[in-house]
Amino acid sequence: AQSVTQPDIHITVSEGASLELRCNYSYGATPYLFWYVQSPGQGLQLLLKYFSGDTLVQGIKGFEAEFKRSQSSFNLRKPSVHWSDAAEYFCAVVETSGSRLTFGEGTQLTVNP
Amino acid sequence: DTGVSQNPRHKITKRGQNVTFRCDPISEHNRLYWYRQTLGQGPEFLTYFQNEAQLEKSRLLSDRFSAERPKGSFSTLEIQRTEQGDSAMYLCASRGRLAYEQYFGPGTRLTVT
Repeated sequence: AQSVTQPDIHITVSEGASLELRCNYSYGATPYLFWYVQSPGQGLQLLLKYFSGDTLVQGIKGFEAEFKRSQSSFNLRKPSVHWSDAAEYFCAVVETSGSRLTFGEGTQLTVNP
Repeated sequence: DTGVSQNPRHKITKRGQNVTFRCDPISEHNRLYWYRQTLGQGPEFLTYFQNEAQLEKSRLLSDRFSAERPKGSFSTLEIQRTEQGDSAMYLCASRGRLAYEQYFGPGTRLTVT
């Protein structure tokens, strides 16, 4: 069965610093990969997605992610973090033949002024 | 595009009562999903509809849970004889015909006292 691991439960960065959130997946073939962001008490907003092609994908709010097949990873990055980026971030995968999303446990991001 | 909507946003109920939640997907989306999210965890898949057909149910969906999508538009999720362990955020998502990304509603927060 497919699975997603987000090794960092909580990350704290200073405003203006760079950010990288880690995501590893377990799946035999190339899955479809997603990053979502969730503010407290809210639903999930799609940040970006990877299906195929260029392994570096751009998303909203200045985020990008890189798919690395050899490492089974899909890490999320942002060059300069803003205080409004404080939220919980979820990596998710769907099998190409399936439908349900499988989520990681999330990484809580705190941004210090 | 008005997005996915869910009602109510919050529900407090006493143990043993029945509750029903509603989800209105993005209008042209034929696929609709229900997920449950407990504190500090990623969302977990409950069930999935394609048009009015319920195509997949998770083991998490006990006999007390039932979902419907009678006309292939909105969906309802009913929990009978609620238990304290049912307290969670219930999220609805929808997906278009030719896409894999899912768009989430704001969720319904259920508290069982």
